[in-house]
Amino acid sequence: EAQVTQNPRYLITVTGKKLTVTCSQNMNHEYMSWYRQDPGLGLRQIYYSMNVEVTDKGDVPEGYKVSRKEKRNFPLILESPSPNQTSLYFCASSLRQGVNYGYTFGSGTRLTVV
Amino acid sequence: GDSVTQMEGPVTLSEEAFLTINCTYTATGYPSLFWYVQYPGEGLQLLLKATKADDKGSNKGFEATYRKETTSFHLEKGSVQVSDSAVYFCALSPGGSYIPTFGRGTSLIVHP
Repeated sequence: EAQVTQNPRYLITVTGKKLTVTCSQNMNHEYMSWYRQDPGLGLRQIYYSMNVEVTDKGDVPEGYKVSRKEKRNFPLILESPSPNQTSLYFCASSLRQGVNYGYTFGSGTRLTVV
Repeated sequence: GDSVTQMEGPVTLSEEAFLTINCTYTATGYPSLFWYVQYPGEGLQLLLKATKADDKGSNKGFEATYRKETTSFHLEKGSVQVSDSAVYFCALSPGGSYIPTFGRGTSLIVHP
């Protein structure tokens, strides 16, 4: 089944403890992206990647890192999480850069930083 | 820059009522337009899309027409069901690059 898989689904952590949220897609998509979803703010893009070893900042990149060493994987790294990073995170992918392609989203990771 | 404006929710309807969720956009060039749906506890799913002016996207009884003259892409359904209760996001993908812009989402609640 074609899908984007995120792990974990739920995570509670403490301030300052490094964590990684994994994202993997099995559709050979070139384009991948991370979003956070907050009440009243909708979806905001954190980072995106056009292809392997090509990443760029979205609208809210501060406090996050990403890497794209393989086409299928696009992990999101929080080096020193803070409570304002408590949010619902989504990974998404698309076949390639281009206006006609929609996104496939993962099921989300609900992160709580205390 | 590009932007998408959706009507504020929640939209509350009775089963079998007619649904309209308004979406207007601002963009340079000729964007593609999308509607996504997010059911409780899940990620967003692509519902329908339109890639040029006057195109109509449709899926699962939902429709939206790309209106360049009014820069709108309103979502409609003739008869909603309880199972349509979800959050709906309008989005655009601008020409020349693929950095999509999402609206803030409109919550739909359908009562039996």
